[in-house]
Amino acid sequence: NAGVTQTPKFRVLKTGQSMTLLCAQDMNHEYMYWYRQDPGMGLRLIHYSVGEGTTAKGEVPDGYNVSRLKKQNFLLGLESAAPSQTSVYFCASSYNLAVETQYFGPGTRLLVL
Amino acid sequence: SQQGEEDPQALSIQEGENATMNCSYKTSINNLQWYRQNSGRGLVHLILIRSNEREKHSGRLRVTLDTSKKSSSLLITASRAADTASYFCATVLTGNQFYFGTGTSLTVIP
Repeated sequence: NAGVTQTPKFRVLKTGQSMTLLCAQDMNHEYMYWYRQDPGMGLRLIHYSVGEGTTAKGEVPDGYNVSRLKKQNFLLGLESAAPSQTSVYFCASSYNLAVETQYFGPGTRLLVL
Repeated sequence: SQQGEEDPQALSIQEGENATMNCSYKTSINNLQWYRQNSGRGLVHLILIRSNEREKHSGRLRVTLDTSKKSSSLLITASRAADTASYFCATVLTGNQFYFGTGTSLTVIP
């Protein structure tokens, strides 16, 4: 099992450009999450999904969109990147209830100039 | 914010010593989890303690939970250089709400 994988590992964008971050899990988990991690801020939830075809907003959803067309994939989109979106992005998944253990991907480091 | 607050923010100890870090939170929880993050890597789950539990052990880890004080502590006994990492508590509320704290950076000096 690969667990949770994220693509790409690192990306540099210019302000206004768009991009999509891909998260894939091979554990048949229902729940998937996108977080961003900033120095001194811990992890903050951007969006999450409780199953294929469903998404919901987290703590800091503005400027991001997500899609869960397949159970194993969770996409995070930035339509018009801003320097404030410079961060490390982590994807996570959990088997059933959100209260259970989350399994994290290795992260995507994004720099917006 | 419900976000947990870890204390201390940074901790440096000698190999073999015990390391204790604390987490405080604001509202009632379903459970509390501790995660470790090595530099440049994702978070790895360490231990989960439910709201009706007071203490839990896993290897060299001991977690306590005091719901009356809304606080938890993580004790790592006989620390090793490989324990050097950041440690995060995550408070889990009902209704799919999951909040991470800001973390404690632990350095174990060989």
